[in-house]
Amino acid sequence: ETGVTQTPRHLVMGMTNKKSLKCEQHLGHNAMYWYKQSAKKPLELMFVYSLEERVENNSVPSRFSPECPNSSHLFLHLHTLQPEDSALYLCASSRVRGAEPYEQYFGPGTRLTVT
Amino acid sequence: EDQVTQSPEALRLQEGESSSLNCSYTVSGLRGLFWYRQDPGKGPEFLFTLYSAGEEKEKERLKATLTKKESFLHITAPKPEDSATYLCAVQALVRNTGNQFYFGTGTSLTVIP
Repeated sequence: ETGVTQTPRHLVMGMTNKKSLKCEQHLGHNAMYWYKQSAKKPLELMFVYSLEERVENNSVPSRFSPECPNSSHLFLHLHTLQPEDSALYLCASSRVRGAEPYEQYFGPGTRLTVT
Repeated sequence: EDQVTQSPEALRLQEGESSSLNCSYTVSGLRGLFWYRQDPGKGPEFLFTLYSAGEEKEKERLKATLTKKESFLHITAPKPEDSATYLCAVQALVRNTGNQFYFGTGTSLTVIP
């Protein structure tokens, strides 16, 4: 495997289900991210794990819960979702180098539909 | 308010018809500006990083430029395979917060054979 991988690619879940999204990066990076992409809106940063610290976006509902067991793996645990949570969920990674700019490398995304 | 605006929202070109996409930003503490390409059903693919005003980067038919307030992605003699959504993002160092990324909503490019 190369780059950033995500599973599953598609997920349909009911509002009472619990599911998890998985992301793995094979680039040796030290930061990982979860983004939400909805039509006609900018990418919304949900969570950042950088140098093993978690940086949260306080506007993300508690029904989304991230987990980062090591620098290569990232999970997004989902429970009691709402239909408006339907979107493309993207994982990304980057190499953080102090104050220098750093590009992010994205996975293919998980298309989530909440029914 | 810090933000990134891309225009046009959608662009249709004939094959071989050159044009430019615009990304304007109102962000303080700019660290870098990034261009990505996103195909339907896929994640964004990194294209360029621009660090300072006056800088230019090229890759095949694409050329990115940067000024103090905007960036352009010039597409020369496009081909149908250049059809995609092009995203612009800005990285800024924000006081008391650290590095922040601001994304535009993208320009959807269609190149007609």
